[in-house]
Amino acid sequence: DAKTTQPPSMDCAEGRAANLPCNHSTISGNEYVYWYRQIHSQGPQYIIHGLKNNETNEMASLIITEDRKSSTLILPHATLRDTAVYYCIVRVATGNAGNMLTFGGGTRLMVKP
Amino acid sequence: DTAVSQTPKYLVTQMGNDKSIKCEQNLGHDTMYWYKQDSKKFLKIMFSYNNKELIINETVPNRFSPKSPDKAHLNLHINSLELGDSAVYFCASSQDGFQPQHFGDGTRLSIL
Repeated sequence: DAKTTQPPSMDCAEGRAANLPCNHSTISGNEYVYWYRQIHSQGPQYIIHGLKNNETNEMASLIITEDRKSSTLILPHATLRDTAVYYCIVRVATGNAGNMLTFGGGTRLMVKP
Repeated sequence: DTAVSQTPKYLVTQMGNDKSIKCEQNLGHDTMYWYKQDSKKFLKIMFSYNNKELIINETVPNRFSPKSPDKAHLNLHINSLELGDSAVYFCASSQDGFQPQHFGDGTRLSIL
């Protein structure tokens, strides 16, 4: 799986958009970008994933650059409950039991009042 | 209803003991996983399992073994516990290897 690079920490004001970057310069053409987050003392939570088109769901938007070497997770209106560690993961979606996620250090997002 | 549930939530035991952690998912998923999160907060995959194959992370000691009595359960057995086994263990499931994984809230294992 391609390695990812994320800033170790970020702050965001409550109500503002939180933009979390991720670099994955060695990503292959068949690798997807996944985002998960882990709120303190809880298990990781899936947020969104994409291949090359931008994606949006009820939680967030995912913007992937045209060359696919980086992406940005956008939380449009961050709340205090969005304080968590956010993980960017790239991997092949093989459709079998080999889809084992490799977590890096992630970005610790602190949403402040 | 909890989608992926683990028991116990906390487990404190002595070095050398054998223990099990249970995991159940009510999502009808075909694939289940075990992850370990150490004191530095790094999450590492241990096993991936469906009814056809078990995939083991090669770094996992053979003292750890997953047991699946049925599709909804994947228990983790640990023999001869060591101090370094202290960690939070997370169970997860997904419909298949492509779909997003749903995680339990973890079992905090402490070895005395």
